[in-house]
Amino acid sequence: NSKVIQTPRYLVKGQGQKAKMRCIPEKGHPVVFWYQQNKNNEFKFLINFQNQEVLQQIDMTEKRFSAECPSNSPCSLEIQSSEAGDSALYLCASSLGQGWETLYFGSGTRLTVL
Amino acid sequence: QQQVRQSSQSLTVWEGETAILNCSYENSAFDYFPWYQQFPGEGPALLIAIRSVSDKKEDGRFTIFFNKREKNLSLHIKDSQPGDSATYFCAASVGYNQGKLIFGQGTKLSIKP
Repeated sequence: NSKVIQTPRYLVKGQGQKAKMRCIPEKGHPVVFWYQQNKNNEFKFLINFQNQEVLQQIDMTEKRFSAECPSNSPCSLEIQSSEAGDSALYLCASSLGQGWETLYFGSGTRLTVL
Repeated sequence: QQQVRQSSQSLTVWEGETAILNCSYENSAFDYFPWYQQFPGEGPALLIAIRSVSDKKEDGRFTIFFNKREKNLSLHIKDSQPGDSATYFCAASVGYNQGKLIFGQGTKLSIKP
């Protein structure tokens, strides 16, 4: 069973508001991923970290999203100015980072932007 | 451009039958193919995975058949149970790169008792 912990489970924001969600990866996993799953079940990779360093991120993430994984603190994903199109399930996953391996997902934060 | 495609959005089979979920991909560099199972309100959980050096992977009631030449794979669920009702996602990555996964759009499987 995955032990990736995501908080909060639900988040409701108005357009233009900041939205912040947190993730505690599985113990001993240095690589953390954030994905967005929309209502059509489409997954979009947002960003991943190894320890505290960004490995890859998409353009959207660079512009309106910020993410960090400080040592000894939960990882976080923040949307600076929420838009209606950001309404989705945000999934955090972690892995050992050794390739060909399992990504362990949390239960997600469901963001609704009104 | 959909790099990983699942042929059915939904599938219904009777309890005890074999459910077959199909997936195809475009990128020849993909070499790792996990299948994830997701229940409502939960995150996806790894069910079974295969690397492109194999053509079959079996784990209990779950089997992946992989065809590298045709760029497709299928998940077979033998002796389907009502508890198998979930959405199944085929995914792909370039494994050595700690690759980010590219997911298909999922197949919602319903098992009729």
